[in-house]
Amino acid sequence: QITLKESGPTLVKPTQTLTLTCTFSGFSLNTSAVGVGWIRQPPGKALEWLALIYWNGDKRYSPFLKTRLTITKDTSKNQVVLALTNMDPVDTATYYCVHTPEWLLSHFDYWGQGTLVTVSS
Amino acid sequence: DIQMTQSPSTLSASVGDRVTITCRASQTISNWLAWYQQKPGKAPKLLIYKASRLESGVPSRFSGSGSGTEFILTISSLQPDDFATYYCQQYNSYSPYTFGQGTKLEIK
Repeated sequence: QITLKESGPTLVKPTQTLTLTCTFSGFSLNTSAVGVGWIRQPPGKALEWLALIYWNGDKRYSPFLKTRLTITKDTSKNQVVLALTNMDPVDTATYYCVHTPEWLLSHFDYWGQGTLVTVSS
Repeated sequence: DIQMTQSPSTLSASVGDRVTITCRASQTISNWLAWYQQKPGKAPKLLIYKASRLESGVPSRFSGSGSGTEFILTISSLQPDDFATYYCQQYNSYSPYTFGQGTKLEIK
C-alpha cells in the first residue's frame, strides 16, 4: 500500500525559503521508472505541477519556477524534499506530494493529503 | 508549454445522467492524458490514464476517449458520489506537465 505524507511549515514570510518533506512508504525510489514529485493548488484554483525526481536521479522542474526550485531525495529515509526560494504571497497554496509509476511520461497515481502553506508577513 | 482547456467549467446534472467533459490540448499530445477527480478539501484521485485506461478500483461507469488534441471523460450514469471537480492533465515528455482549469460537476 503506497502512502505519501507532506510535512513542513504552514506559515512562511515573504522572501523566505520554503522546505517541504515528503515521507513515503509502500515503494522504493530505487525501483526503475518510479518518481516522486510535487504539485500545488492555490485556494480555489487549479493544479500546478512543480517538480519531479526519478529513481535514477533525473530531475524535472516547471520552467516557470525552475530558478526557485530544488528537489532532492534520500532513498535510505524514503523521503523527497522540495525547496522553493523567495516565497511570495502568490505561492500560498496546498502542496501535494505525488507518486508516478513511469519515467518522464508521468501521470500521478498516488497523492499525499496535502499541506496548506500560507505566505504572509 | 501545452495549454489544456476544459469545457464546460461548470456542469449541472442529475443522478443517473450521462455526462461528458471535454479537454482540449493546444498541440498534439498523442494519448498522454490523465483525468482526476477532486472533492472539497481532498487530494485529487486518478481516474483515467493514457487517455482511456481505467485506474484500478475506479468504477466502470467512468471512461475516457480521444487522442491528439481532443479528449473526453464520460460518466455513464451519475452517482451521488460523483459530484466533484474534474481535472485533465497532459504528460507529453517534451513539455512540462500541465492541468486543465477544472470542471465542477454540480447537482441539478
